[in-house]
Amino acid sequence: EAAVTQSPRNKVTVTGGNVTLSCRQTNSHNYMYWYRQDTGHGLRLIHYSYGAGNLQIGDVPDGYKATRTTQEDFFLLLELASPSQTSLYFCASSENTGQLYFGEGSKLTVL
Amino acid sequence: AQKVTQTQTSISVMEKTTVTMDCVYETQDSSYFLFWYKQTASGEIVFLIRQDSYKKENATVGHYSLNFQKPKSSIGLIITATQIEDSAVYFCAMRATSSGQKLVFGQGTILKVYL
Repeated sequence: EAAVTQSPRNKVTVTGGNVTLSCRQTNSHNYMYWYRQDTGHGLRLIHYSYGAGNLQIGDVPDGYKATRTTQEDFFLLLELASPSQTSLYFCASSENTGQLYFGEGSKLTVL
Repeated sequence: AQKVTQTQTSISVMEKTTVTMDCVYETQDSSYFLFWYKQTASGEIVFLIRQDSYKKENATVGHYSLNFQKPKSSIGLIITATQIEDSAVYFCAMRATSSGQKLVFGQGTILKVYL
């Protein structure tokens, strides 16, 4: 069964801290995404990728870096975390259809 | 730029009735794809249904159907015979051909189904 797995599921850090969110997909999909979910804003695209070594800028990229090391693995990096980055983060994968398969979400709290 | 707007923040309906959730979108593209996703109380987000802009017939999957009004840039989600399990947050999304595989979401509508 197709799957997208995120880790950690919960993370608490302090302002200025360094955080890496990991995502692995076993769907053999080319596309992977990072979204953040905030009340009143829905899901907003941070970065996405269409293959290993590729990175595309989303709609809210400031303060975030991302890296796609393999077809399966996509990482989101917050090098100087700020309280405004407290959010629920979702990873997703897709084929060339636009239909996304989402991970379980990673809750990040920046104190 | 693409934009998706869901103006209904929350809707409450009685079980077994029909509910419609609204969504309007903005794009300059003549070819685009529209989607509805459901987020359950556990946080899981799943795909429900899709409408391609070039198709005139409204998509239907199970007790979900779409009301696609292209001249109004509107794609409503209709759920018939609602069940308690339909209580969730529903997101509308769009992918415009010119934006590649970038999917833009609306703010979401909370649906509460009561007995």
